[in-house]
Amino acid sequence: GAVVSQHPSWVICKSGTSVKIECRSLDFQATTMFWYRQFPKQSLMLMATSNEGSKATYEQGVEKDKFLINHASLTLSTLTVTSAHPEDSSFYICSATGGDERLFFGSGTQLSVL
Amino acid sequence: DAKTTQPTSMDCAEGRAANLPCNHSTISGNEYVYWYRQIHSQGPQYIIHGLKNNETNEMASLIITEDRKSSTLILPHATLRDTAVYYCIVRVRAGANNLFFGTGTRLTVIP
Repeated sequence: GAVVSQHPSWVICKSGTSVKIECRSLDFQATTMFWYRQFPKQSLMLMATSNEGSKATYEQGVEKDKFLINHASLTLSTLTVTSAHPEDSSFYICSATGGDERLFFGSGTQLSVL
Repeated sequence: DAKTTQPTSMDCAEGRAANLPCNHSTISGNEYVYWYRQIHSQGPQYIIHGLKNNETNEMASLIITEDRKSSTLILPHATLRDTAVYYCIVRVRAGANNLFFGTGTRLTVIP
């Protein structure tokens, strides 16, 4: 089956620093990628949708200047959490679709901001 | 996308069939039923999807009622590794559309 690779699996950073998370589709071209965040014991919440070569569409309440998304190629999307603060600590997950009916998910990134 | 309703949690004995119900009474004619599961601290894993007919693959079976207002995911022989949160999602079959995750059912397989 299709594989989506997400890196890093976990990251610890100091407050005020920026963190970049990568999401790659390994064996298909991802025309659309989604970024989610998930707090403990809660469901996934969509943050933004990105299409290759265009600006991401952010969900209401998600700060676009804080969560920078780049989808520069059909196999790579990145999420950069800028000036991270402890309240940004969360589990971040990406997903990708090549246009068929299935979404494939990365393994997630646990971000801890000290 | 239509809203789904699932029980919050369920237990199942190891080796027995796990039957996970889902209500989607407002489903539209062009919406599919998808099932995903999420094992702790991992990304969701696709299980199965269907429109009208029952479906079966190597992981599970999906039974959709004739009126399509509800469905049941069946894991025929549950193992401890099937312990996870199972999400039932309905959406239009269009790859660019997001999946809306509800609260899901936390299935615990008991030895």
